[in-house]
Amino acid sequence: AAGVIQSPRHLIKEKRETATLKCYPIPRHDTVYWYQQGPGQDPQFLISFYEKMQSDKGSIPDRFSAQQFSDYHSELNMSSLELGDSALYFCASSVSGGSNTGELFFGEGSRLTVL
Amino acid sequence: AQSVTQLDSHVSVSEGTPVLLRCNYSSSYSPSLFWYVQHPNKGLQLLLKYTSAATLVKGINGFEAEFTKSETSFHLTIPSAHMSDAAEYFCVVSDQRGNKLTFGGGTRVLVKP
Repeated sequence: AAGVIQSPRHLIKEKRETATLKCYPIPRHDTVYWYQQGPGQDPQFLISFYEKMQSDKGSIPDRFSAQQFSDYHSELNMSSLELGDSALYFCASSVSGGSNTGELFFGEGSRLTVL
Repeated sequence: AQSVTQLDSHVSVSEGTPVLLRCNYSSSYSPSLFWYVQHPNKGLQLLLKYTSAATLVKGINGFEAEFTKSETSFHLTIPSAHMSDAAEYFCVVSDQRGNKLTFGGGTRVLVKP
C-alpha cells in the first residue's frame, strides 16, 4: 500500500540558509500534519492543513511557513536556519472525521542538519 | 489541553519475557489514545488505538493496551519480547478534533538475548 512520501530524506544546510521539505500524503487523504523531533525528544506538532487550508497551528516558528497544494502535497519552508532547527521532520496524513479520527500515518521523516 | 506522561524512559528486558510500558494521560474530554513505535532512523508506526470502545485494545503483533479511566492510564503490554521489538514507544493523545497529537516522552525498549 502507498505510504506517506517525504523528500529529501536528508538535508544539510548552513546557518541562515533556507530549506524546503516536501510531503506527499497517502492517496485520498485530505489532511497533512508536520511534526518536528529534535535529538532525543518526542515529536512536537508544528502545523496541519485540511483541504489546502491551515487547520491547526502548534509550535511553529515565524521563520517557518507551510502550505498544502491542490494535489494535497505539502511543503514546509524554513528560512534563516538556526542550529536548533536540526531535527527530524515528520509529515503525516489522515482522512478527516469518521472512525479514523486521530489516526495519522507518518512518513519516514526528513532529517535536517544545520551546520 | 491534554498531556501524556510515560513513566519509564528506558526498559530493558530479556527476549521472551513480557514488557509493560506505562502511560498516564490528562485530558479535559474523552480522549483518543494511541501507541506508536519508532525503530531507529525510521518513521512512526501505529501499534493500536483506543477510541472509547472496548477498554482492552489489541494491535499488531500481539501487542495490547488497557485503558483505565479511573487511573487515566493506557498501559501497553508486549506479551513476549523479541529482538525486533527493540525500539522507542510513544504514548499519544489526540485533541478533540483529532487534528493534533500530543506525544509522551517515549520509552526506549532494549531487548537482551
